[in-house]
This record gives sequence, structure tokens and C-alpha cells, in this order.
Amino acid sequence: QQQVKQSPQSLIVQKGGIPIINCAYENTAFDYFPWYQQFPGKGPALLIAIRPDVSEKKEGRFTISFNKSAKQFSLHIMDSQPGDSATYFCAASLLSRSARQLTFGSGTQLTVLP
Amino acid sequence: KAGVTQTPRYLIKTRGQQVTLSCSPISGHRSVSWYQQTPGQGLQFLFEYFSETQRNKGNFPGRFSGRQFSNSRSEMNVSTLELGDSALYLCASRGVLYGYTFGSGTRLTVV
Repeated sequence: QQQVKQSPQSLIVQKGGIPIINCAYENTAFDYFPWYQQFPGKGPALLIAIRPDVSEKKEGRFTISFNKSAKQFSLHIMDSQPGDSATYFCAASLLSRSARQLTFGSGTQLTVLP
Repeated sequence: KAGVTQTPRYLIKTRGQQVTLSCSPISGHRSVSWYQQTPGQGLQFLFEYFSETQRNKGNFPGRFSGRQFSNSRSEMNVSTLELGDSALYLCASRGVLYGYTFGSGTRLTVV
């Protein structure tokens, strides 16, 4: 119930394309859903996050779509650039015994071709 | 403001040894979490500390331990190292809001 399933494992798009990464969860107690971007040799960096009472959130070229009834959420990257090539992780968090932890998806390696 | 600082960046240890990793959170952040990242298992939660108290622990053996000091700096210790402990160990700090900020990690190689 703590799992977050992420797909696809890898994704290749042309510059300007709109890659979409999908995640699904089971535990309805999750109340915070962030996306992280990780470049080689670096730690994950928070990209954008959403709460389950919102269906969509946009920040710059990044959009999260959230479907509470389906227990799914996705990341869309508009006008993708070669500099967006990185590994993307979805995650989910819940409050348990006064503590929080992130449960991560397995990651999507995105390559944006010039 | 300064980000999360992890030291050392790289470490090579021999099986059976022990290792201590250090993490300095963002100033003012009292919550520090540790994660292990491997190609096979992905990002897995180790434990979280808040005000020097461990509040949550992931599914790792007792060889993995940690502590937090009064200035919120945290250390993680792994004893009796095994080859499978080779990983990127990430520290994340969190303030009063939900967002976690990760450090660049410590790359541990066990030979």
C-alpha cells in the first residue's frame, strides 16, 4: 500500500515535445505529491508538488495533473529542452506518527534530443 | 541561503568496516531524513530525525543507525559494511512546510 508505481522507465522525445510521466498510488492517506528532477552526480531537486485537493498545478513549463478518484498523477513538460534531460521521480508523502517520509517511484530517465 | 551539505562526497570502504556520513541541513530546518539510492532498489527511506529524536525508520537492518545533534546536524552510521551497502546516501532537510531539500549525497563504495 506504500508503493508508488511510475512509468515509463525511460522516455525519448524531440526538442519541443511534451513528455508525460505517470504515477499511481494505492494509499489514500498520501497527502502530498512532489516531483523531483535528478541530474547525474546530484541529489534530487524539487520540481513541483501538488496536494490532493487540487486537480492541476502549473509552474513554468511543468504541469502536474492529479486524478484523485483514479489515484494517479502525471507530470507534463511543455516545450521540452535538451537541458531537461534527467531522471524524474514522482513521490508521495503522508503524516504517520508525527513524522513524514517520501515514498518514491522508480524513476523515469528522460532524454530530449536537440 | 546555503543548501544541504553532505560530507564526504565519496568514500571507499572495505567489507566489515564501519562508516559515518554527515549532513548539515538548511539553517532553521529541524527535520533531517536519510535515503539510500541504488540502481536496483531506487530511493529508499532510511530514517528521519526531528529535534534529536528518531521519529520514523525504514526497513533497513540495525547496522544502519543515525543521530541528530542539537544544531540539527545529523550523522548516519553503517556498521559491518557489506558489498550491497554500496549506494548513494542522500540527506534531506525539511522546514515547517512539506518540501524536502536534498543534498548531493555521499557515494559509498564497499570493496
